[in-house]
Amino acid sequence: DAGVTQSPTHLIKTRGQQVTLRCSPKSGHDTVSWYQQALGQGPQFIFQYYEEEERQRGNFPDRFSGHQFPNYSSELNVNALLLGDSALYLCASSLAGALYGYTFGSGTRLTVV
Amino acid sequence: GDSVTQMEGPVTLSEEACLTINCTYTATGYPSLFWYVQYPGEGLQLLLKATKADDKGSNKGFEATYRKETTSFHLEKGSVQVSDSAVYFCALSGVNDYKLSFGAGTTVTVRA
Repeated sequence: DAGVTQSPTHLIKTRGQQVTLRCSPKSGHDTVSWYQQALGQGPQFIFQYYEEEERQRGNFPDRFSGHQFPNYSSELNVNALLLGDSALYLCASSLAGALYGYTFGSGTRLTVV
Repeated sequence: GDSVTQMEGPVTLSEEACLTINCTYTATGYPSLFWYVQYPGEGLQLLLKATKADDKGSNKGFEATYRKETTSFHLEKGSVQVSDSAVYFCALSGVNDYKLSFGAGTTVTVRA
């Protein structure tokens, strides 16, 4: 049974560019959350998607946006990249309402130069 | 807002030593508390959880007790193995909250 799949695993972008990261949830899960993990820090919540809608958002600027598709997969888009956006981006899936059942992917390492 | 403070690392131990990682939290009401573990190159895995005061979560020899009076959820293991080397994160989720709030993580290295 495949867990959470994220792509790509590594990415290098230039300041000002835009990036799209992708996430396929664990089979049977319908909710996707995105987290940003800077080096040496804990993950910070970006937003959560359920039923193709953003259900909750963390303290991130509008440059960060997302989407959830009918098959529950999700994308995270970041516009006008800054050096400070360099981080590991983690996707976590769950069943709606199942707070204790998050499954995390291995993440996408984004480097902005 | 809700926040978690955990013991800074890195922590280096010998095999069979005792491990304690301190975690305290700030939140309104009765949040749910978690410990996650991250092995090199892998995603976070739930290690244990507690959802109400005085609950004890346990898994793989690790334990943590939800202490409302001290707002703490310290992680303990009596005898660590080399395979326990990882980064450990304390986290909470507030009442009616969909997000997890994580601490900064504690890197643990166990030497044979």
